[in-house]
Amino acid sequence: SQQGEEDPQALSIQEGENATMNCSYKTSINNLQWYRQNSGRGLVHLILIRSNEREKHSGRLRVTLDTSKKSSSLLITASRAADTASYFCAPGYNTDKLIFGTGTRLQVFP
Amino acid sequence: EAGVTQFPSHSVIEKGQTVTLRCDPISGHDNLYWYRRVMGKEIKFLLHFVKESKQDESGMPNNRFLAERTGGTYSTLKVQPAELEDSGVYFCASSQSPAGPRVITDTQYFGPGTRLTVL
Repeated sequence: SQQGEEDPQALSIQEGENATMNCSYKTSINNLQWYRQNSGRGLVHLILIRSNEREKHSGRLRVTLDTSKKSSSLLITASRAADTASYFCAPGYNTDKLIFGTGTRLQVFP
Repeated sequence: EAGVTQFPSHSVIEKGQTVTLRCDPISGHDNLYWYRRVMGKEIKFLLHFVKESKQDESGMPNNRFLAERTGGTYSTLKVQPAELEDSGVYFCASSQSPAGPRVITDTQYFGPGTRLTVL
């Protein structure tokens, strides 16, 4: 299977804490993207990390990629209630279609 | 710049009926994609248009699903006849550059989805 698998399936934290989500995949990739879906809304692109990059930052987001372990992590620092959403990783291959896992449901309590 | 829009936002139909979903991509985006998420499962790719041509329809579940993109602008996805297992959220996405082998996948911008319920 080419899809990414997110871990954990669900995560609950308090505002201000950091949230870490992981993604594992099985075959070599060109890049990996993270998306967020708020309840009842569409997917929002968060960040794309290329296979030759190890770490990337965007605001409170930090993404790492370890191609030797075929894994990626998404860290959200100083979480807010508005970060409550489902988070998906999508490994990128030589194809245009995105292949998603079942996601991590993050709940941030005020 | 307007984002990807989808219509309707919700649709409730009975088994055996027909439903047509519409997607308007971001203006100027050649690539248009359909995905769907069945309850509790992962988001799955359905098909990919480049302009008006179907580039990849490997994810279409069966011949009850018909997608079109007339003139390379908006797209429709028709389900006829609908079955119970078709219930889910149907997402459309678009991206800018022409398709083809390349190292970097272009960012796909998603619409809010159409929630389809088949009773």
